Amino acid sequence: NAGVTQTPKFQVLKTGQSMTLQCAQDMNHNSMYWYRQDPGMGLRLIYYSASEGTTDKGEVPNGYNVSRLNKREFSLRLESAAPSQTSVYFCASWGVMRGTEAFFGQGTRLTVV
Amino acid sequence: GQQVMQIPQYQHVQEGEDFTTYCNSSTTLSNIQWYKQRPGGHPVFLIQLVKSGEVKKQKRLTFQFGEAKKNSSLHITATQTTDVGTYFCADNTGTASKLTFGTGTRLQVTL
Repeated sequence: NAGVTQTPKFQVLKTGQSMTLQCAQDMNHNSMYWYRQDPGMGLRLIYYSASEGTTDKGEVPNGYNVSRLNKREFSLRLESAAPSQTSVYFCASWGVMRGTEAFFGQGTRLTVV
Repeated sequence: GQQVMQIPQYQHVQEGEDFTTYCNSSTTLSNIQWYKQRPGGHPVFLIQLVKSGEVKKQKRLTFQFGEAKKNSSLHITATQTTDVGTYFCADNTGTASKLTFGTGTRLQVTL
C-alpha cells in the first residue's frame, strides 16, 4: 500500500518551460489536492478535486492547470514556468468522511531559474 | 474567504519546556485537524477534533477545540528534540472537500 505517490521529487526548470507534476493515490479517496509551500507561508491550496471529473480553484490557482484523469490520478501542470513558482509542491488525498485523515505525497522541490 | 490564522509563527524552546500553538478563525469551524511536518518532510496527520469543547490527548500532546468552535490549540508538555517541526491546523469549513491549512507554527527545541 503506497499511499500517495508524487513524481518527480526534484526538478529545475528554465523560465518559460512547461512541466507536469504527477500524483497517484491507492486509497480509493474521492478528494485530491495540490498545495505549494513557501518559507513562512504555510501550505497554500492551488487546486482541488472533490471527485473524479471535478476540479476547483484554491487560493493560488494562477499559472497552473490540473487534470483529474481518473479516481487515482491528479496532475498539476505549469504551462510557462516563472521564478515565482519556485516552491515545494505537495499532493494530498482525503476520504473526507468524519475521522479520516489526509495523506500527503513526499513533495516535489521545484526551482525555476 | 475562510482564513485560519496560527500563532505564534515560530517558537524556540529549551528541551523540557512546554509549548502551545493556537489556531484562530473568524467564523465557526465544522471540525479541525492537526498535522505535523518534520523538517524536509511532508505533513502527517495527528488528530481531528469535531465537538465543541473537545479535548484529546496523545501522550505529551493535548489538543483542544474551543467552546464556540472558532479556535483550537495544541499543547506539548515537556518538549523533546523529536517534537521539532511545523505544526499546522486544517479545516474544511464552507466546502466539505476543500481542506485549507493554517499558516503553521515552527517549533525549534534545543538541549
